[in-house]
Order: sequence, then structure tokens, then C-alpha cells
Amino acid sequence: NAGVMQNPRHLVRRRGQEARLRCSPMKGHSHVYWYRQLPEEGLKFMVYLQKENIIDESGMPKERFSAEFPKEGPSILRIQQVVRGDSAAYFCASSSGLAGANTGELFFGEGSRLTVL
Amino acid sequence: GDSVTQMEGPVTLSEEACLTINCTYTATGYPSLFWYVQYPGEGLQLLLKATKADDKGSNKGFEATYRKETTSFHLEKGSVQVSDSAVYFCALSDRQGAQKLVFGQGTRLTINP
Repeated sequence: NAGVMQNPRHLVRRRGQEARLRCSPMKGHSHVYWYRQLPEEGLKFMVYLQKENIIDESGMPKERFSAEFPKEGPSILRIQQVVRGDSAAYFCASSSGLAGANTGELFFGEGSRLTVL
Repeated sequence: GDSVTQMEGPVTLSEEACLTINCTYTATGYPSLFWYVQYPGEGLQLLLKATKADDKGSNKGFEATYRKETTSFHLEKGSVQVSDSAVYFCALSDRQGAQKLVFGQGTRLTINP
């Protein structure tokens, strides 16, 4: 009964490199959400995806950040040319569909902690 | 925009002590309110929720009441246990965009035996 799986748990990158964070939703879930938690702050919404579709990316920075959720495989959050300000914990959550979304019952992974040197 | 403010931590209590973690919010409209908990080494889990004014959410001995007049959703437990040690997040969502949960900064709770 695997929950939401995120990897890597910890990632260290140098400025200018690329970071790829992966998220496998709970079995049977087709909706994925990415949140970012900067140090000493709450989680902030980034993007909401369904299989092969970006539904809402209003929280994504305009440059360097992208997300996908292909038909097969995990969701990927990609950060190009990382900068020190990208250092944060990135949380993925999943739900089964609109019913789950509307009740706030999102199931979260343990997070991926990105450190940019 | 919408925001959530939580009591700053960390909070350290002895077992069987009474707990209150304050949470206030600012929102347009009538949001739903949530408490999520993150136990060490795990992801966030929904602890309880309330979807309208005066609703009380409860789970595992924790309670929180949706107070529209004070825009608050304080988390309470009468007698905490060591196993309650975790980080607690207050959050809100508007009815239309529930996936865009707005979180407070989290409160780390440590319970000593």
C-alpha cells in the first residue's frame, strides 16, 4: 500500500546545473500537485497536473521551472540553471480526482530537499 | 491574497499536557480549513478539516473549530502523548480551487515523556 513516493529525498546541485525531482502518486490517483517550502515558510502551491495535462501552473516561476506528468511514469518537476534561491523542500501530493481535490484530502510525499551550492 | 498565520514554534510540552496551536487566516469568501500533520520521516497527512463556520473537525483526540468571527481555527488536544510529536500545518482552500491549499509556516511540536 505505497503512498506518494518522491525521489530523490535529498539533492545537491551547483549553480547552473539542472535538478529533476520525481513523484509517483498513490495507486489509483491521477492528479498530482507540487508545492515548495522555502526555509521558515509554509508550503506554497506550484502546479497541478493530470495525466498528460497541466491544469493550473499559476504558482510556477515563469522561467527555468517546468513540470510534466506523462501517460506512463512519474511526474517530473524540472528546474534548469538552478540558483541558490531554489534551495527548498519540494513536496508532491496526489488525489484521486475532483472529489479529493475539493475536500482538501491530498496525500503528500515526504518531500525532496534541494540544496544549491 | 489569502494567507494563514500559525503560532510560532517550536513548542515543547510534557506528556499529558494540554495543547493549543493557534491558527488565524485571511481569505475572501468562505474557505475550507484544514490541519495537516507531518510525523518524522513521513509526508504530510490530513489530520482534520472543517468546511463551514462553526463546524468542528476532530481526529485522534485533536479538535479545531471554524470560527468565522475571529477568523481562527485553533488546534487543541486535552492530553498529548509522545507520539504526537510532529510538525503541524494549518491550511485553507477556497471552494473553487481546493488544490491550491494555502499553508501556514508549520509548528513543530515535541512531547517529552
